[in-house]
Amino acid sequence: RKEVEQDPGPFNVPEGATVAFNCTYSNSASQSFFWYRQDCRKEPKLLMSVYSSGNEDGRFTAQLNRASQYISLLIRDSKLSDSATYLCVVNQAGTALIFGKGTTLSVSS
Amino acid sequence: NAGVTQTPKFQVLKTGQSMTLQCAQDMNHEYMSWYRQDPGMGLRLIHYSVGAGITDQGEVPNGYNVSRSTTEDFPLRLLSAAPSQTSVYFCASSYIGGLKYGYTFGSGTRLTVV
Repeated sequence: RKEVEQDPGPFNVPEGATVAFNCTYSNSASQSFFWYRQDCRKEPKLLMSVYSSGNEDGRFTAQLNRASQYISLLIRDSKLSDSATYLCVVNQAGTALIFGKGTTLSVSS
Repeated sequence: NAGVTQTPKFQVLKTGQSMTLQCAQDMNHEYMSWYRQDPGMGLRLIHYSVGAGITDQGEVPNGYNVSRSTTEDFPLRLLSAAPSQTSVYFCASSYIGGLKYGYTFGSGTRLTVV
């Protein structure tokens, strides 16, 4: 079983839509959780950290359910500029970040 | 503010050649790592380092060597390039205690082995 699994995608949505991405992780000892964004042929960039209490950054909301080992990202009012691949990322204490394969989002006008 | 700098950006090698991918960071990060990214495979960890003189293997270390003689530099050496090593390589760094804040990535090296 892959350590971090994501929706396969791609997600094709119109501008203004709300879209949700899901992610599960296998190691219950995981301590830190992130969503990264990667544009085509570019390096991944940190979008937001994910906390158990849930956190919001503008149109983006991230949720973590430790009991279910489940992470989500909600994007409201999608923009053309949100088109990218979104990577679910998990860190276990003292080790490297483990990346999911990513989910591709395409927002169209 | 340079952040993480990778060189070269593009490279074509012949099978059997060796080369070194350079990575340098100016943020005094203790933690540095190398990933490769292939279509459909996501980012996979090759090697990482928690400080000068300390390195360890990741998920896919075969065919690669690393060393960490300074805090700033973490070069990745391909010993004898193979077509299977055609990939995009990313270097990333972080404070040890800041792993919970994620990594800063370099812009990548696109390597083709023919």
